[in-house]
Amino acid sequence: GQQVMQIPQYQHVQEGEDFTTYCNSSTTLSNIQWYKQRPGGHPVFLIQLVKSGEVKKQKRLTFQFGEAKKNSSLHITATQTTDVGTYFCAGSSGTYKYIFGTGTRLKVLA
Amino acid sequence: DGGITQSPKYLFRKEGQNVTLSCEQNLNHDAMYWYRQDPGQGLRLIYYSQIVNDFQKGDIAEGYSVSREKKESFPLTVTSAQKNPTAFYLCASRGSVWTDTQYFGPGTRLTVL
Repeated sequence: GQQVMQIPQYQHVQEGEDFTTYCNSSTTLSNIQWYKQRPGGHPVFLIQLVKSGEVKKQKRLTFQFGEAKKNSSLHITATQTTDVGTYFCAGSSGTYKYIFGTGTRLKVLA
Repeated sequence: DGGITQSPKYLFRKEGQNVTLSCEQNLNHDAMYWYRQDPGQGLRLIYYSQIVNDFQKGDIAEGYSVSREKKESFPLTVTSAQKNPTAFYLCASRGSVWTDTQYFGPGTRLTVL
């Protein structure tokens, strides 16, 4: 079945450093979503990517969708303590069903 | 958040008992989902429903059951057949297949003693 892997599993950075998490699917995706979950909270939608090679930015966050639509990345520039949490990707093959990645837990040291 | 409520926030049950988790949304969304999250893990899909009176099994449906009698409600029953039911359960909804966002409820943390 379809699998979505995310690396790294954990990342500790000093405040102000950059951070990147990578998402890889075993199958071609129709679209991919990214979510952020704060400790003790629930996932909150960040963005959806649909087109091959698509790049979207939200302030310090940059999201990319690979040309083959099988991988994606989230890059945070100059991390802040408010960026702490777990970042998940979720891929769909064009249906209502989404497969979530294992997540990358980010800790930011002040 | 996003008009989805789950109750209760924490739930304790004895082993062998069935328990039903509530999920209600006032967003007029067609699709609803149930996910399970274990410590340090991602979200795994239990069941989803695209429309009233219809639902499909996700990747880990064994030991769970759902109903979708009303558009607003998608309760999940954790049966005694579920081998390891202690987990964080998240409900989500989505407007349509063309709508980006899945809105998640606050979750129910179930502990089976």
